[in-house]
Amino acid sequence: DAEITQSPRHKITETGRQVTLACHQTWNHNNMFWYRQDLGHGLRLIHYSYGVHDTNKGEVSDGYSVSRSNTEDLPLTLESAASSQTSVYFCASSESGVNEQFFGPGTRLTVL
Amino acid sequence: DQQVKQNSPSLSVQEGRISILNCDYTNSMFDYFLWYKKYPAEGPTFLISISSIKDKNEDGRFTVFLNKSAKHLSLHIVPSQPGDSAVYFCAPKDGGTSYGKLTFGQGTILTVHP
Repeated sequence: DAEITQSPRHKITETGRQVTLACHQTWNHNNMFWYRQDLGHGLRLIHYSYGVHDTNKGEVSDGYSVSRSNTEDLPLTLESAASSQTSVYFCASSESGVNEQFFGPGTRLTVL
Repeated sequence: DQQVKQNSPSLSVQEGRISILNCDYTNSMFDYFLWYKKYPAEGPTFLISISSIKDKNEDGRFTVFLNKSAKHLSLHIVPSQPGDSAVYFCAPKDGGTSYGKLTFGQGTILTVHP
């Protein structure tokens, strides 16, 4: 069955370190999204991509970067982790022209 | 500037009764509205949606109502079941963007008591 996976599921890191969170989907969806979930804010969009080599900034993109080298993967990189980036991160994907997004199980990141 | 507001952080309902979750928005360009349900330690899952050209959409126990003039939508769950206990997010899509970028509300925690 097609699915979307995220790894790792839990990560603890230190301030200043570079961290990469993986997202892999097997639906062959063109659109992929990264969100963070924080209490009182719901899900906020970090970056998104409409296809290979396409990336766009969301509302909370500072300190994060993404790259899209193939259809299946959209890794999220924290260049220099900060305590404010402690959060739960969700990856999602959707077909072109379709509004419904399918979400991965999430990665809980703690920055000490 | 929050374009989507779910003003009730939590809602507690007795099993068998109706649950009503509300969502208000400010962006008149929103043209499609989705509701997602989220259990702890899982990703959100799509529940039901409504287009801005409609005022009601029903799927089993779940009905979404849209009042465009008031920029308000609501999700009704009848009858509520303990398995419905979760966080519910409304997520409108901006009609000015054609690729399904969603804006999420803060979420409402629904607890259904047996």
